[in-house]
Amino acid sequence: EVQLVESGGGLVQPGGSLRISCAASGFTFSTHAMSWVRQAPGKGLEWVSGITTTGGGAEYADSVRGRFTTSRDNSKNMLYLHMSSLRAEDTALYYCARIYDGSEIVNWGQGTLVTVSS
Amino acid sequence: QLVLTQSSSASASLGSSVKLTCTLGSGHSTYIVAWHQQQPGKAPRFLMNVERSGSYNKGSGVPDRFSGSSSGADRYLTIFNLQSEDEADYYCETWDGDTRVFGGGTKVTVL
Repeated sequence: EVQLVESGGGLVQPGGSLRISCAASGFTFSTHAMSWVRQAPGKGLEWVSGITTTGGGAEYADSVRGRFTTSRDNSKNMLYLHMSSLRAEDTALYYCARIYDGSEIVNWGQGTLVTVSS
Repeated sequence: QLVLTQSSSASASLGSSVKLTCTLGSGHSTYIVAWHQQQPGKAPRFLMNVERSGSYNKGSGVPDRFSGSSSGADRYLTIFNLQSEDEADYYCETWDGDTRVFGGGTKVTVL
């Protein structure tokens, strides 16, 4: 069974930094591209970032480019999102997602909540 | 620019059917779209992808009541024999290389 378990969320002050993680199991992690998707309270889904199977390439939404960095450790089956220069509008539930064969998202984690507030 | 447009809400009676529409933006009318369901307080769940031809592939455990279809730049999700547990938000998704986008979501209410 595919499992994606996010962790590391919490309360952070505006301008601060935070790293969230996603532990993957139940599939061959190194053969799947992965994504981060967020959902602000009461709002829809927003794609944040995607990373290739090797971690050699990553893409970002305009709203986070230059502030967020996605990485992965295939030896540990872990996905990471390092967030810096955080803003109030980054407050959201952050989901880790598995990509099928370079196409759609087929599995979602339960999410980890990041709150940016003073 | 990759854009997906969805109606904000839809409603139908218990046991009836509802058809949701996701429209691809200009220049992307041939793209595959995926549908995801998000029940209240839960994480999203992959339902199916829908191709330009109208063929669709469902995720594991998705009931037969859910089907997909297509016409031009529109990709549809139809729910037959609507059940109370189908009351949820439905999002469409598409991608171009390593970037992806979601529609704004359609809230389905079961009357």
